[in-house]
Amino acid sequence: AQTVTQSQPEMSVQEAETVTLSCTYDTSESDYYLFWYKQPPSRQMILVIRQEAYKQQNATENRFSVNFQKAAKSFSLKISDSQLGDAAMYFCAYGAGGTSYGKLTFGQGTILTVHP
Amino acid sequence: DVKVTQSSRYLVKRTGEKVFLECVQDMDHENMFWYRQDPGLGLRLIYFSYDVKMKEKGDIPEGYSVSREKKERFSLILESASTNQTSMYLCASSSSTAGDRDTQYFGPGTRLTVL
Repeated sequence: AQTVTQSQPEMSVQEAETVTLSCTYDTSESDYYLFWYKQPPSRQMILVIRQEAYKQQNATENRFSVNFQKAAKSFSLKISDSQLGDAAMYFCAYGAGGTSYGKLTFGQGTILTVHP
Repeated sequence: DVKVTQSSRYLVKRTGEKVFLECVQDMDHENMFWYRQDPGLGLRLIYFSYDVKMKEKGDIPEGYSVSREKKERFSLILESASTNQTSMYLCASSSSTAGDRDTQYFGPGTRLTVL
């Protein structure tokens, strides 16, 4: 079974600084998807960024970018120019694609605090 | 924008009661999911459905059942609520065919307390 590990239960960053959240996963598949989700204190989970494993180029969305290392099975999220609104729980997730019916496996989450 | 709604944000029930949590999505997604979220445990999959009337057990199905009579609606049922089912319940949906396949879209969650 696939597993997703987020080794940092909590992280903090100063406003305007950069922070990197770590995620590793375990799989024997070659084609899959990886996701970072954000859950602010209001609790609505929203997609931050999505990476398709067959694409070598790292995904970016404005201030959010990933460092996807397929051989190392690592998928870290970098948040640049951190803002107070970035404070949230962040979840890394793995999707097997294929006939998995869209099931995702989530990590335990990392709580990000942003200091003004 | 995809919209996933859940019937209640907060719910308080008594031990032994039958509880229904409803989820509706408006994007014609094939797949729907029910998770529970507990501190330190992340999201754990209870049940999922990939088509009307089709359902599959997730990682923690014990004590729960589901129903999907229409494509847009997926219900989670606690046949006899117990205190260890106090949790946050999240519903999600995804497409198996769109360009963002397998990207899950979440509802706001239902905080269930069983007394």
